[in-house]
Amino acid sequence: GQQVMQIPQYQHVQEGEDFTTYCNSSTTLSNIQWYKQRPGGHPVFLIQLVKSGEVKKQKRLTFQFGEAKKNSSLHITATQTTDVGTYFCAGPPWDKIIFGKGTRLHILP
Amino acid sequence: DAGITQSPRYKITETGRQVTLMCHQTWSHSYMFWYRQDLGHGLRLIYYSAAADITDKGEVPDGYVVSRSKTENFPLTLESATRSQTSVYFCASSEKRFQNDNEQFFGPGTRLTVL
Repeated sequence: GQQVMQIPQYQHVQEGEDFTTYCNSSTTLSNIQWYKQRPGGHPVFLIQLVKSGEVKKQKRLTFQFGEAKKNSSLHITATQTTDVGTYFCAGPPWDKIIFGKGTRLHILP
Repeated sequence: DAGITQSPRYKITETGRQVTLMCHQTWSHSYMFWYRQDLGHGLRLIYYSAAADITDKGEVPDGYVVSRSKTENFPLTLESATRSQTSVYFCASSEKRFQNDNEQFFGPGTRLTVL
């Protein structure tokens, strides 16, 4: 069955450094979603990418969808303590959504 | 602005007992989901529902039962709890308005411990 793999599993960065997490699928995706979960909280939707090669920005966050629509990335520029949490990608089918295992981001002050 | 709520937020039970986790959403979303979250496994889908009286299994359904008699409620029952069901359980809802518009809204979660 379809799998969505995320790397790395954990990432420690100094505050102010950049951070990137990658999501790879074994099959072509019609679209992909990204969620963020703060420690002790619940997942919160960040964005959905649909088009091949699409790039979307939300302030310091940049989301990319690969040309082949089999991979995606989330890049955070100049991390802040508020970025702490786990970032998940998710792929269709949306009635049986497949979540990656997430990348847990730790920020060192 | 209740959104999606779960109860209880914390539950401790014993092996073999029946436990029901409640989920309620106020948006009238068609789709509802139950996930469990364990370290190293991320979010795993237990059951989902496309509408009232329509439910289907997810990745890890064994030991769980769901029902959906009303659109707004989606209870999850552990018929005979086991220690391996100790986890954080999240309920979510979604409305597929367009082909590519199906953001999921998650509840705050229920932390269940089975002794």
